[in-house]
Amino acid sequence: EVQLVDSGGGLVQPGGSLRLSCAASGFTFSRYWMGWVRQAPGKGLEWVANINEHGDEEQYVDSVKGRFTISRDNAKNSLYLQVNSLRAEDTAVYYCARDSISRAYESWGQGTLVIVSS
Amino acid sequence: DIVLTQTPLSSPVTLGQPASISCRSSQSLVHSNGNTYLSWLQQRPGQPLRLLIYKISNRFSGVPDRFSGSGAGTDFTLKISRVEADDVGVYYCMQATHSKTFGQGTKLEIK
Repeated sequence: EVQLVDSGGGLVQPGGSLRLSCAASGFTFSRYWMGWVRQAPGKGLEWVANINEHGDEEQYVDSVKGRFTISRDNAKNSLYLQVNSLRAEDTAVYYCARDSISRAYESWGQGTLVIVSS
Repeated sequence: DIVLTQTPLSSPVTLGQPASISCRSSQSLVHSNGNTYLSWLQQRPGQPLRLLIYKISNRFSGVPDRFSGSGAGTDFTLKISRVEADDVGVYYCMQATHSKTFGQGTKLEIK
């Protein structure tokens, strides 16, 4: 069974940083593109970033470029999102998701909440 | 940037009746490779997000055949042939032809 477990969220001050993690199991992690999607409270979904199987190709939504970094460790079956220079508008539940050859997110984590507030 | 506009934003439906959600793109979603990367997801309260449909009309594993997708180019539709209580939630279209974008979501509720 495919499982994605998100962690690392919390309360952080504006300008602060966090490292979000996603632990994957139940599939061959190194064969899949992976991504992060976020959802602000009471709002819809917003794609944040994607990374290829090998970790050498990254894609970002414009609003996080230069502040967020997606990475992975295939030996540890783990996906990461380093979030820096956080702003109030980054407050959201962050979900990791497994991408597919059909470019659809087939499996999702339960999400981890990031609150940016002073 | 691609904008996906879903209608309606809220859809009260009677149990056993059909439901339909539209997703319109600001640009064609046909990729240069001929594929159209338009998918539909379901978000139910307390449940993980769930992929329903990929590449316009392909049902994902385990998705009941009550759910169907159709469309082409810029106009797409998700249909539920007979709504069940378990279908209550928010439905999103997502395009992955030009980067990735989600529609704003359609809340399905029972009358």
